[in-house]
Amino acid sequence: EIVLTQSPATLSLSPGERATLSCRASQSVSRYLAWYQQKPGQAPRLLIYDASNRATGIPARFSGSGSGTDFTLTISSLEPEDSAVYYCQQRFLWPPLTFGGGTKVEIK
Amino acid sequence: EVQLLESGGGLVQPGGSLRLSCAASGFTFNTYVMNWVRQAPGKGLEWVSGISGSGGSTYYADSVKGRFTISRDNSKNTLHLQMHSLRVEDTAVYFCAKDRVESSGVEDAFDIWGQGTMVTVSS
Repeated sequence: EIVLTQSPATLSLSPGERATLSCRASQSVSRYLAWYQQKPGQAPRLLIYDASNRATGIPARFSGSGSGTDFTLTISSLEPEDSAVYYCQQRFLWPPLTFGGGTKVEIK
Repeated sequence: EVQLLESGGGLVQPGGSLRLSCAASGFTFNTYVMNWVRQAPGKGLEWVSGISGSGGSTYYADSVKGRFTISRDNSKNTLHLQMHSLRVEDTAVYFCAKDRVESSGVEDAFDIWGQGTMVTVSS
């Protein structure tokens, strides 16, 4: 089973600042990594698939990069509505598909 | 509009059974891999099970293998999760989720999620 480790656990930033979230895999997942955003009481929303492709309707301030074992989700300029928990997920080796533990982004 | 709507959650005693359903609309249901993902209270996401578009291939997390059965009725655009021998640790919100790419035969990212249905296992 591939383990995904996300860091930091919590990120507290002001509106307009840049957020950098990390996801590290226990072995290579090539580029088969996705990022999701989840707000309280809501279902997750797909942001990025295959490491760097934005999903339909996702604002350009969200971008993904990386390959192999190290991946980054960047929010270039934080908006208040970006307050959420962000999860990474791999689909390179399954079952099982696995998720990271999440990074909580707080807007000051 | 593409939509998934789960139902069937509730309170059940340890050792009991429950059947979840997910009604799909707005897309060609039988061409997409479908999945169940759960989230225990205050915890992260855990993939539970997946099923191919035809229903011929099914996949499970080790934590539910032998207790849960995923199935689909393509004539009714509905996904199911039959859960037996439920444990306290199965308590979670259960989401159904659609693969992004159709007819791929392999898992992809999940582009559409239902709102979830709560399953509580407690005596």
